[in-house]
Amino acid sequence: NAGVTQTPKFQVLKTGQSMTLQCAQDMNHNSMYWYRQDPGMGLRLIYYSASEGTTDKGEVPNGYNVSRLNKREFSLRLESAAPSQTSVYFCASSEYAVSYNEQFFGPGTRLTVL
Amino acid sequence: AQRVTQPEKLLSVFKGAPVELKCNYSYSGSPELFWYVQYSRQRLQLLLRHISRESIKGFTADLNKGETSFHLKKPFAQEEDSAMYYCALNGQGAQKLVFGQGTRLTINP
Repeated sequence: NAGVTQTPKFQVLKTGQSMTLQCAQDMNHNSMYWYRQDPGMGLRLIYYSASEGTTDKGEVPNGYNVSRLNKREFSLRLESAAPSQTSVYFCASSEYAVSYNEQFFGPGTRLTVL
Repeated sequence: AQRVTQPEKLLSVFKGAPVELKCNYSYSGSPELFWYVQYSRQRLQLLLRHISRESIKGFTADLNKGETSFHLKKPFAQEEDSAMYYCALNGQGAQKLVFGQGTRLTINP
């Protein structure tokens, strides 16, 4: 099993351009998450999807949109990229049951906005 | 509000020395707490969780509700422990984690 996969691995955008980051998991997990990782700021939740068909804002949702395409896939879209969105983006998934379960992370996408 | 604070961005210790990574949290209920680790060129992965009360790779962490802390400890550091460590909190009924700012641990030979 590949676990959580993300594409692309690297991307350079110009200010104002748009792009979609793709994420897929093959563990049949219900919940999926998008984080950004910035030096000194740790991991911050952008959006999450507790189950197929639902999405919710996290701590830093401004400038992003998400789509839970099906149980496997959860995409993150930047409509008009800004330099402040330069970051490493991680997707994660988990099987939330009665008690919290482990989150499994993808390899990350390193995005630079010029 | 849920908050996790890791006061040390960088921590450097010598091989064989004890290591302690600090984590303090703010949450009014009964939290679930975790330590995640990211080794160089590897994915972020779960190291341990307080519910399990386990020792992983020689690391332990005890939840102290009085001090609202969940510090990660290892009595004898090894070079392969060099990594980025994140403390994380899950509040009751929440289906998401709140992460701290992370501590980069470097073990010197």
